[in-house]
Amino acid sequence: AQTVTQSQPEMSVQEAETVTLSCTYDTSESDYYLFWYKQPPSRQMILVIRQEAYKQQNATENRFSVNFQKAAKSFSLKISDSQLGDAAMYFCAYKGYGNKLVFGAGTILRVKS
Amino acid sequence: GAVVSQHPSRVICKSGTSVKIECRSLDFQATTMFWYRQFPKQSLMLMATSNEGSKATYEQGVEKDKFLINHASLTLSTLTVTSAHPEDSSFYICSAYTSSGNTIYFGEGSWLTVV
Repeated sequence: AQTVTQSQPEMSVQEAETVTLSCTYDTSESDYYLFWYKQPPSRQMILVIRQEAYKQQNATENRFSVNFQKAAKSFSLKISDSQLGDAAMYFCAYKGYGNKLVFGAGTILRVKS
Repeated sequence: GAVVSQHPSRVICKSGTSVKIECRSLDFQATTMFWYRQFPKQSLMLMATSNEGSKATYEQGVEKDKFLINHASLTLSTLTVTSAHPEDSSFYICSAYTSSGNTIYFGEGSWLTVV
């Protein structure tokens, strides 16, 4: 079975600084997708960024980028120029053949002004 | 991005009654929808996978007779919590899979309080 591990329960970053959230996963599948979701206090799950495993190029969405290391099964999220609105719980997720998402435990990100 | 609407956002019901939560994909057809439960400060726990026109697939430990899931159309799945008890109080959230972009989008979630 696939597993997703987020080893940082909480992280803090100063406004305008850069922070990296870690995620590792375990799978025997060759074709899969990886996601980062943001869950603010409203509890709405917001898709931040998506990566296809077959693509070597790291995905980027404005201030959000990933470092996808397929061999190491690592998928970290970098947030540049952090803003107060970035404060939330961030979940790393894996989707394989079954279309089912497997989530990590989440990382609470606090942004200091 | 794609929109998934979940209703109601908050519901309070009496112990022993049933409550239904709806999940709709507004601008795409979702052959597969998922239902999750989330406890405070924890990750999402998958309860069941709902496929249009067929029976839902429940995760281990989830009571299928208590959490009835129906996926009657390509845009609507419902979760009915039957004979609700206070321990069923929780945040329930649905998601829908779209083959376009191979992505999963979430509803806004529903807070259920059983009194």
